[in-house]
Amino acid sequence: ETGVTQSPTHLIKTRGQQVTLRCSSQSGHNTVSWYQQALGQGPQFIFQYYREEENGRGNFPPRFSGLQFPNYSSELNVNALELDDSALYLCASSLASGNFPNEQFFGPGTRLTVL
Amino acid sequence: KQEVTQIPAALSVPEGENLVLNCSFTDSAIYNLQWFRQDPGKGLTSLLLIQSSQREQTSGRLNASLDKSSGRSTLYIAASQPGDSATYLCAVRRGGSARQLTFGSGTQLTVLP
Repeated sequence: ETGVTQSPTHLIKTRGQQVTLRCSSQSGHNTVSWYQQALGQGPQFIFQYYREEENGRGNFPPRFSGLQFPNYSSELNVNALELDDSALYLCASSLASGNFPNEQFFGPGTRLTVL
Repeated sequence: KQEVTQIPAALSVPEGENLVLNCSFTDSAIYNLQWFRQDPGKGLTSLLLIQSSQREQTSGRLNASLDKSSGRSTLYIAASQPGDSATYLCAVRRGGSARQLTFGSGTQLTVLP
């Protein structure tokens, strides 16, 4: 059974650029969530996708957007990057009952640095 | 708004000691609570999941308890080892329509050989 994978591992961008981060869910999982973790803090929820539709969103601006594909892999897109977007971005997958996720399994994360 | 607090922020213990990590949350209407381990610069590893109807869960040297009414959970680590050194995070999922986990800031544990 393959766990959650994320790419790339590290990424350096400049302010104002756009970035796409990718996530492959654990086999059999139908729900993916994205989190942002600043240094020394706990992860903050960005949004969740279930069956290719966004069904939950945290307190993040619209320049944070996402997609979930039929194979349940996912992308996180961030436009107009700001210095404060520098963080570890974590993807988590789970098998939802209805559309409520159960135990979440996290990937290794993508470290984004915005200069 | 759900808030999760973990105390202490950092803890250093000698190898072999039993220890307790604390987690408190402000809204007791939770669906479940999950404990994670995070090594520096890495992702989160799920340790234990406690459903709201449960009082505790055990896995090896780890035992997590949940007292929903008082808004508290503890993670007990028996016979600590240097390999247990990591940051431990607790996260709660609120009931109702909530989708997300709300995390504490973690306890950074160092086990000294």
